[in-house]
Amino acid sequence: RKEVEQDPGPFNVPEGATVAFNCTYSNSASQSFFWYRQDCRKEPKLLMSVYSSGNEDGRFTAQLNRASQYISLLIRDSKLSDSATYLCVVNMGAAGNKLTFGGGTRVLVKP
Amino acid sequence: SAVISQKPSRDICQRGTSLTIQCQVDSQVTMMFWYRQQPGQSLTLIATANQGSEATYESGFVIDKFPISRPNLTFSTLTVSNMSPEDSSIYLCSVEDLRYRYGYTFGSGTRLTVV
Repeated sequence: RKEVEQDPGPFNVPEGATVAFNCTYSNSASQSFFWYRQDCRKEPKLLMSVYSSGNEDGRFTAQLNRASQYISLLIRDSKLSDSATYLCVVNMGAAGNKLTFGGGTRVLVKP
Repeated sequence: SAVISQKPSRDICQRGTSLTIQCQVDSQVTMMFWYRQQPGQSLTLIATANQGSEATYESGFVIDKFPISRPNLTFSTLTVSNMSPEDSSIYLCSVEDLRYRYGYTFGSGTRLTVV
């Protein structure tokens, strides 16, 4: 079982629609969680950190469910520019702040 | 967020040669991280580089193949040694950015093709 798993997609989303996807992680001791966005041939860029109480940043909402060991990302009112691969990233803690990346979920927003 | 200058941005190398990738950060950071992203894959951590000590390598990566230098708190290099076509990948450095929502900032990556 992979340490961090994501549905690879692609999720084909009409412009203006809402899309949501999850990420599961295997290590219950994981300490922090992030969603990154990666555009084609670009480096990953932090979209948002995920807090225990859930958090929202504009059209993006992230939630953490520690009991079931998953995090989610919801995008409202999708824009064409939201088309990207969304990487779920988990800090497994222990020594050295080791980040573990999911395989990414590809989102394609279409007119 | 921290600004990372990574170079070269891309290179095409002959098998058996070595390439050194550099990352310069605009602020002092304790740890720098080196990742590999193979075609169509997500990122895999190669090693963690601390200033003044040897890098810590992840399973499957060894110092002889990927020697790392960390001479000060703003700079690090990763060398890909004795390259083969299987080393063709994107290599990225990263730092923990405590100023920016405790996320991690990445360099723009080095796209390596070994022929």
